[in-house]
Amino acid sequence: RKEVEQDPGPFNVPEGATVAFNCTYSNSASQSFFWYRQDCRKEPKLLMSVYSSGNEDGRFTAQLNRASQYISLLIRDSKLSDSATYLCVVKGGATNKLIFGTGTLLAVQP
Amino acid sequence: EAQVTQNPRYLITVTGKKLTVTCSQNMNHEYMSWYRQDPGLGLRQIYYSMNVEVTDKGDVPEGYKVSRKEKRNFPLILESPSPNQTSLYFCASSRLAGGVVAETQYFGPGTRLLVL
Repeated sequence: RKEVEQDPGPFNVPEGATVAFNCTYSNSASQSFFWYRQDCRKEPKLLMSVYSSGNEDGRFTAQLNRASQYISLLIRDSKLSDSATYLCVVKGGATNKLIFGTGTLLAVQP
Repeated sequence: EAQVTQNPRYLITVTGKKLTVTCSQNMNHEYMSWYRQDPGLGLRQIYYSMNVEVTDKGDVPEGYKVSRKEKRNFPLILESPSPNQTSLYFCASSRLAGGVVAETQYFGPGTRLLVL
């Protein structure tokens, strides 16, 4: 089983739609959680951290369920510019290592 | 401008010909890391460094070497490249806070390597 699993997609949605991505992680000792965004052929960039109480940044909402070892990202009012691959990232336990999921591809259609 | 730079950005080489990919950051970060990204496998860590002269293996270190003689530079060395090392390579850096890697890793623009 992969340490971090994501649905690879692609998710094809119209502009203005709400879309949600899910991610599961296997190491219950994981301590920090993030969503990174990666545009085609570019480097990953931090989108947002994920906190236990859930957190929001504009149109983006991230949630964490430690009991189910599950992270989610909700994007409201999708824009064309949201088209990218979204990487679920977990840092954990006794190491400083970031574990990356393989990413979920989002394509927002006009 | 705070950034991580990598060179070269694109490289085609042949099996067995030693090569070095350079990585440099101007943010005075202690932590630096190399990843490779392959379709369906995501980003996998090759090597990382917590500070000058301190390096350690990641998940896929075979066939690679690194060095950290200066804080800002973290070159990746392929002594004898093979076709299975064809990949997209990213260097990243981050500060340490209390010995723990900070939340944000800053990535370089990537190096596309093709080994024939």
